[in-house]
Amino acid sequence: GAGVSQSPSNKVTEKGKDVELRCDPISGHTALYWYRQSLGQGLEFLIYFQGNSAPDKSGLPSDRFSAERTGGSVSTLTIQRTQQEDSAVYLCASSLTRPATDTQYFGPGTRLTVL
Amino acid sequence: ILNVEQSPQSLHVQEGDSTNFTCSFPSSNFYALHWYRWETAKSPEALFVMTLNGDEKKKGRISATLNTKEGYSYLYIKGSQPEDSATYLCAFFYTDKLIFGTGTRLQVFP
Repeated sequence: GAGVSQSPSNKVTEKGKDVELRCDPISGHTALYWYRQSLGQGLEFLIYFQGNSAPDKSGLPSDRFSAERTGGSVSTLTIQRTQQEDSAVYLCASSLTRPATDTQYFGPGTRLTVL
Repeated sequence: ILNVEQSPQSLHVQEGDSTNFTCSFPSSNFYALHWYRWETAKSPEALFVMTLNGDEKKKGRISATLNTKEGYSYLYIKGSQPEDSATYLCAFFYTDKLIFGTGTRLQVFP
């Protein structure tokens, strides 16, 4: 079946502009996560959605970052007033239910470059 | 701050060599440890989810062990092949999220 998809695959933007990154999880997966990997760093947790519960936003680095998940499916990560330090690969993952023991399936990522 | 450490940071081996790397994590409040393989230009791919102390998992030439009391997991690759070249990530489950290590970058030369 279809895996996790993300769009765009690459995004180049100017400092100060807003960007939106999209994630389509695997159908039926209730859990959805956003991560990012900056140059030379590990995968950093950003936000977690589980069903209709309030999301865990504890990993968002600043209030310029926000995310929503509509209808329990597609998610959009928005970065306002982008800064150069936002340049990274942004990965989305989904899992069937709880993240503890369920495998997370990752999308191909969006490479964001802020000039 | 929760720390998940992986070593070595990078590794270069010849085809046919066996190799192993380490993931260290907090030994208290253990719930699960995940291993992923991340090839360049591809998505991270799940290898194992480990939950019990003493767990041993195997997938082809790759296997992993888990020691939750001392807080470490080993990943072994037997008879490395060039297609094993990738970054191997471990991730510790903590309060509904995975905390990832920085990975071990493996390069296998023919």
